[in-house]
Amino acid sequence: NAGVTQTPKFRILKIGQSMTLQCTQDMNHNYMYWYRQDPGMGLKLIYYSVGAGITDKGEVPNGYNVSRSTTEDFPLRLELAAPSQTSVYFCASSYSREGYEQYFGPGTRLTVT
Amino acid sequence: GQNIDQPTEMTATEGAIVQINCTYQTSGFNGLFWYQQHAGEAPTFLSYNVLDGLEEKGRFSSFLSRSKGYSYLLLKELQMKDSASYLCAVMDSNYQLIWGAGTKLIIKP
Repeated sequence: NAGVTQTPKFRILKIGQSMTLQCTQDMNHNYMYWYRQDPGMGLKLIYYSVGAGITDKGEVPNGYNVSRSTTEDFPLRLELAAPSQTSVYFCASSYSREGYEQYFGPGTRLTVT
Repeated sequence: GQNIDQPTEMTATEGAIVQINCTYQTSGFNGLFWYQQHAGEAPTFLSYNVLDGLEEKGRFSSFLSRSKGYSYLLLKELQMKDSASYLCAVMDSNYQLIWGAGTKLIIKP
């Protein structure tokens, strides 16, 4: 039982490049989330999904896209990377939304230069 | 706007007790979570409060007062491995977690 896995662990992008951050969970959770964490600030929700085929925007969705074709996978796409997207990205999943803890992946540290 | 406030940094001594406070102003309330995050690692769940009162789980306890918009995390018998950041998060009316910036706890021998 691996929990939530993310790839890659680290990545350096040039301005304007694109990439996909991968996230997979093996707990059969319906709810999945993408957060970014910047130094000195709380986690910010980028996108979330309540099940396969259903996604919705969080607090800071601009510059990102997601898809959820299966229960297990929830990739995050960065289009036209900008220095403001330099951050640590965490994927998380939960059994349900109310009262249930979120399980986090190990994170992806992204630098855009 | 929505806001979660917690101290930026606290220092405590090994074996002692420390209380980390969290105050919040959110649009709706569907529970408050505490997470622990070691440097360079992912957050891990510590506790959940949705009703007023104290929840105890081993060395860790969490308290909630909804009328005051206030919670605290109490850590007893501090160990060096407790050195970490402690994140307070409130689930708002849209069932989204609003996160505080975290409290960095430094344990000294």
